[in-house]
Amino acid sequence: EVQLVESGGGLVQPGRSLRLSCTASGFTFGDYAMSWVRQAPGKGLEWVGFIRSKAYGGTTEYAASVKGRFTISRDDSKSIAYLQMNSLKTEDTAVYYCTRVIGSGYVNYYFDYWGQGTLVTVSS
Amino acid sequence: DIVMTQTPLSLSVTPGQPASISCKSSQSLLHSDGKTYLYWYLQKPGQPPQLLIYEVSNRFSGVPDRFSGSGSGTDFTLKISRVEAEDVGVYYCMQSIQLPPTFGQGTKLEIK
Repeated sequence: EVQLVESGGGLVQPGRSLRLSCTASGFTFGDYAMSWVRQAPGKGLEWVGFIRSKAYGGTTEYAASVKGRFTISRDDSKSIAYLQMNSLKTEDTAVYYCTRVIGSGYVNYYFDYWGQGTLVTVSS
Repeated sequence: DIVMTQTPLSLSVTPGQPASISCKSSQSLLHSDGKTYLYWYLQKPGQPPQLLIYEVSNRFSGVPDRFSGSGSGTDFTLKISRVEAEDVGVYYCMQSIQLPPTFGQGTKLEIK
């Protein structure tokens, strides 16, 4: 059974940093790209970024709203994906979901399994 | 970015009746490889989104056959043949033909 468990959320002041983790199980983690999608309170879904598998170079892509502030990385030996969030803004407040990606992340990709999410609140 | 527009934004359906949600994209989702990169998700109350339909019309594993997807180019539809109580939630369409992947604003389905 595919499982994705996010951790690391919490309350953080504007301008500070936070790192989220996504621990995966039930599949060969290194074979898949992984993505982060967020949902502000009462709002819709917004893609944050993803990291491709090593087979596709392990490269990353980001939404314009987070590019230069957020970094996605992965540790295939531990089956964990990370989202490093720096220079946080109040508008980054959201539930952050980790998702498994079907596809390379270049064409024809989608998110098949999602974690339960972790809440990040950016407030002074 | 490709804009995904869903209608209606909410609908209330009697159990056993059909329901239909429209999703229109600002650009064609037909790729040169012949595939169309349109997906449907359902977010039940208090839960993460779950995949329903991939590439317009393919049901994901475990999705009941009362759910069906159709469409082409820029116009797509999700249909539920007979709504059940467990179908309540917010439905989202998503495109991935172009970065960034973008979602519709969501359609909230309630039971009468």
